[in-house]
Amino acid sequence: ETGVTQTPRHLVMGMTNKKSLKCEQHLGHNAMYWYKQSAKKPLELMFVYNFKEQTENNSVPSRFSPECPNSSHLFLHLHTLQPEDSALYLCASSQVQSYGYTFGSGTRLTVV
Amino acid sequence: GESVGLHLPTLSVQEGDNSIINCAYSNSASDYFIWYKQESGKGPQFIIDIRSNMDKRQGQRVTVLLNKTVKHLSLQIAATQPGDSAVYFCAETSGGGADGLTFGKGTHLIIQP
Repeated sequence: ETGVTQTPRHLVMGMTNKKSLKCEQHLGHNAMYWYKQSAKKPLELMFVYNFKEQTENNSVPSRFSPECPNSSHLFLHLHTLQPEDSALYLCASSQVQSYGYTFGSGTRLTVV
Repeated sequence: GESVGLHLPTLSVQEGDNSIINCAYSNSASDYFIWYKQESGKGPQFIIDIRSNMDKRQGQRVTVLLNKTVKHLSLQIAATQPGDSAVYFCAETSGGGADGLTFGKGTHLIIQP
C-alpha cells in the first residue's frame, strides 16, 4: 500500500454520465495532484492543490472539475466526457515545495 | 512548454545484464530530476533522484547520471532481474516541486530470461 488510495480502480461511464474519482492520502502531505496518463503519451499534469488551494490548472477542459475539501482528500468530478478522455487518472501527494511525490494506483477510466 | 522525453519506447535486456535508459530534457532551468518505475496496474514509484549540482548519484543497483551540457539524463540498472520489468519515466521540475513534475514518455524495460 503506497499511502495514497484511489477509488474506484476501474470506471466505465457514458458520455452523458456524471461520476467522481476519489483520492485519499494518509501520509500527512499538504499538496495533492491529478495527472492523466494516456497510452504512449507522457503523464500530463492536470491540477495542483497546495494547502487545499488550487495553484495550477493546466488548461484542463471544464468537464473535469477538481475538489479538495481538506489536505487529505482530492476529488475529480467528471461530466459529459468524451471518448478521448479515456485514460488512467493518477493522484499524487507530497509536502508543498517538496519533490517527493507518492502516487496512487490510479483509476482506469473508459468513456463509451 | 518545454518537455522531457525518452529516446526509446522499449528496451529488451537479458536477465543479469546491465540496463541503461536514457532521457533528454530541454528546459535549461530544470534543477531536479527523478526516475520513476511503473509496474503494470500500479502508479509510478520513486526510484532515485538527482539535483542539478550533481553529475552522478548511486542507489541500490541503480545509478543516475546527469550531463547538463547536453541536457541528458540516464538510469543504469545493474544485474537486471525479472522484477525490474516495468515502464521507467524521467521527470523534471524547476519550480521547487510545487508546480508539479513534467514527465517523459517512458521506456518499457523487458527482461528476457
